[in-house]
Amino acid sequence: NAGVTQTPKFQVLKTGQSMTLQCAQDMNHNSMYWYRQDPGMGLRLIYYSASEGTTDKGEVPNGYNVSRLNKREFSLRLESAAPSQTSVYFCASRPRAASGREVRETQYFGPGTRLLVL
Amino acid sequence: GDSVTQMEGPVTLSEEAFLTINCTYTATGYPSLFWYVQYPGEGLQLLLKATKADDKGSNKGFEATYRKETTSFHLEKGSVQVSDSAVYFCALREETSYDKVIFGPGTSLSVIP
Repeated sequence: NAGVTQTPKFQVLKTGQSMTLQCAQDMNHNSMYWYRQDPGMGLRLIYYSASEGTTDKGEVPNGYNVSRLNKREFSLRLESAAPSQTSVYFCASRPRAASGREVRETQYFGPGTRLLVL
Repeated sequence: GDSVTQMEGPVTLSEEAFLTINCTYTATGYPSLFWYVQYPGEGLQLLLKATKADDKGSNKGFEATYRKETTSFHLEKGSVQVSDSAVYFCALREETSYDKVIFGPGTSLSVIP
């Protein structure tokens, strides 16, 4: 298994340009997430998708849109990039919670996309 | 809202020193608690977890105990190695939300030979 893969690894954009960050997982996980990581602020959730066909806003959704294309893929789109969106973006996935009391907690993270907006 | 606070870094230790990274949280109910580790140039990996009060999570020589009375989940290791150099994130999952995990700001650890 490749796990969680992200493309591109690095991208430079000019203010106002648009781009889509791609994420795919081959672990048959139901939940997928997009985070951004900024110095001194940890990871902040942008959007998540609990299952194919559903998406929900996280802590910092403004300026972003997402698409859960199928169970494997979850893309993040910046329609008009701004310098404040310079960050490292991580995609993650998690399997469905088991029934009963057991909860499958572990999130599996991709290697990240470094985005610089000038 | 719920939050996670970690000790400020960076932390620099000599090999074989004792490590403590403090983590405290604010949450309603009974959250699940985690430590994630991020090695240079990589994504985060789950290091250990605890899902109820007084549970001890452990992995690779690291330990952390879920202390409800002090709302803490401090990370400890008795003897660090150079290979432990990384950024460590404390995190919690709210009791009422399966999907929302809140991360602390991270603590950078450098271990020197």
